[in-house]
Amino acid sequence: RKEVEQDPGPFNVPEGATVAFNCTYSNSASQSFFWYRQDCRKEPKLLMSVYSSGNEDGRFTAQLNRASQYISLLIRDSKLSDSATYLCVVTHNNNDMRFGAGTRLTVKP
Amino acid sequence: DTGVSQNPRHKITKRGQNVTFRCDPISEHNRLYWYRQTLGQGPEFLTYFQNEAQLEKSRLLSDRFSAERPKGSFSTLEIQRTEQGDSAMYLCASILYGTVNTEAFFGQGTRLTVV
Repeated sequence: RKEVEQDPGPFNVPEGATVAFNCTYSNSASQSFFWYRQDCRKEPKLLMSVYSSGNEDGRFTAQLNRASQYISLLIRDSKLSDSATYLCVVTHNNNDMRFGAGTRLTVKP
Repeated sequence: DTGVSQNPRHKITKRGQNVTFRCDPISEHNRLYWYRQTLGQGPEFLTYFQNEAQLEKSRLLSDRFSAERPKGSFSTLEIQRTEQGDSAMYLCASILYGTVNTEAFFGQGTRLTVV
C-alpha cells in the first residue's frame, strides 16, 4: 500500500463548479499535511498547508481528519486557471515529505 | 523562479553511461531533498540531507545512485550505468527546517532521457 493515496482523477469540471479531492495516508504518526499544485511540465508549488481545525484560503478549503487518516481539498467557483495537478503531501516527525500521485483537474469553459 | 537551481535542465544519455545532476538550494535552507517523477505520477522520494548529512535514502535508490552534499550547500545526484528505467524528471527541493514555515521550494528539475 502506498504511503499517500489520492483520487486518481482526472476531474473535468465546468467553470464555476465546486470540486473536492481526497487523500489518505497510511502512517498514523504523520504530523504535517499540505496541498501542492503542479502545472504541466513545471515544478510543484505550495498551495496551502492543512491544519487540524481545517483552514480556508479564498476559494480553497482544506480539512484534516486524523482519526480516518485523510485530508481533503475543496475548490469553489472553479476558474480555468485552477487546471493543474494537485498533490497531497504528508510529512513525518523528521519532516521527510511524501507525495501522493496527484489528481489532475481540468476546468473547462 | 523559486531560488532553487538545477542543472542541467535536460540530459540525454546512452544506456550504461554515468550522469551527474546538480542542485543549488536556497542559500539559508538547511534541508535538501531529491525526488524522481515520471509521467502521471507524483514525486517519489529518493533521499534528503540535513546540512551535509544524508539522513535517509529510499529503497528506490539502488547502488547505482549516490548523492552528496559535501559542504551543506549544493548537492549532486549521480547515476552510474544508466538504464532506460532511469528516464524521469529529477527534482530537488529545499526547506528551512526548524521553523514554523516549512514550505518546500522546488527547482525546475532535470529531465533525464536514457536511450
